[in-house]
Amino acid sequence: DTAVSQTPKYLVTQMGNDKSIKCEQNLGHDTMYWYKQDSKKFLKIMFSYNNKELIINETVPNRFSPKSPDKAHLNLHINSLELGDSAVYFCASSYRDTDFGGNTIYFGEGSWLTVV
Amino acid sequence: AQSVAQPEDQVNVAEGNPLTVKCTYSVSGNPYLFWYVQYPNRGLQFLLKYITGDNLVKGSYGFEAEFNKSQTSFHLKKPSALVSDSALYFCAVRDMTDSGSARQLTFGSGTQLTVLP
Repeated sequence: DTAVSQTPKYLVTQMGNDKSIKCEQNLGHDTMYWYKQDSKKFLKIMFSYNNKELIINETVPNRFSPKSPDKAHLNLHINSLELGDSAVYFCASSYRDTDFGGNTIYFGEGSWLTVV
Repeated sequence: AQSVAQPEDQVNVAEGNPLTVKCTYSVSGNPYLFWYVQYPNRGLQFLLKYITGDNLVKGSYGFEAEFNKSQTSFHLKKPSALVSDSALYFCAVRDMTDSGSARQLTFGSGTQLTVLP
């Protein structure tokens, strides 16, 4: 029973391509997130959605576009991939964080993106 | 603005010895504090959190952490380390008083724990 699942786990693609990473959670959570982990393992939030509504949109190039068709899914689409986009992208979810900041965030296994 | 510092990039400890992974934080109000562990090529797994109440928090796999408000610290501890505890550990903080888009979890830079057999 995978709680937060994301696909693909590994993705190697050429510069300039467009790619998507899909994420689904079966925890009944209202809030979903995308985090980026760089080569130095530093984690930074990219986006957060509460029940399909965009809440957090950090300084991320507009080549990155999240899409939430329903509260159990949050996909990440990346246009015109660049070498610097190579990183690990984590999807995560929690109960509604605008109600209570102490809710635990649960992470997926990550998607390792390599742009060549 | 909130921030987290993990002053040690690497901690080595012998199996069976106690371990401590340090974390200090800075928030405007009161903090929610979290510890996560990341094994190689895996996602982050939740270990424990401090919300309110008892300063000593117990979590998964025998880990515990002590909230110290005066020192703004939340160090992770385990009485007896196992080789299988070797992993990357992240401390994270949220400010209780933040709301809306400001209420985001900020992570430290991570500490690589190596337990030597």
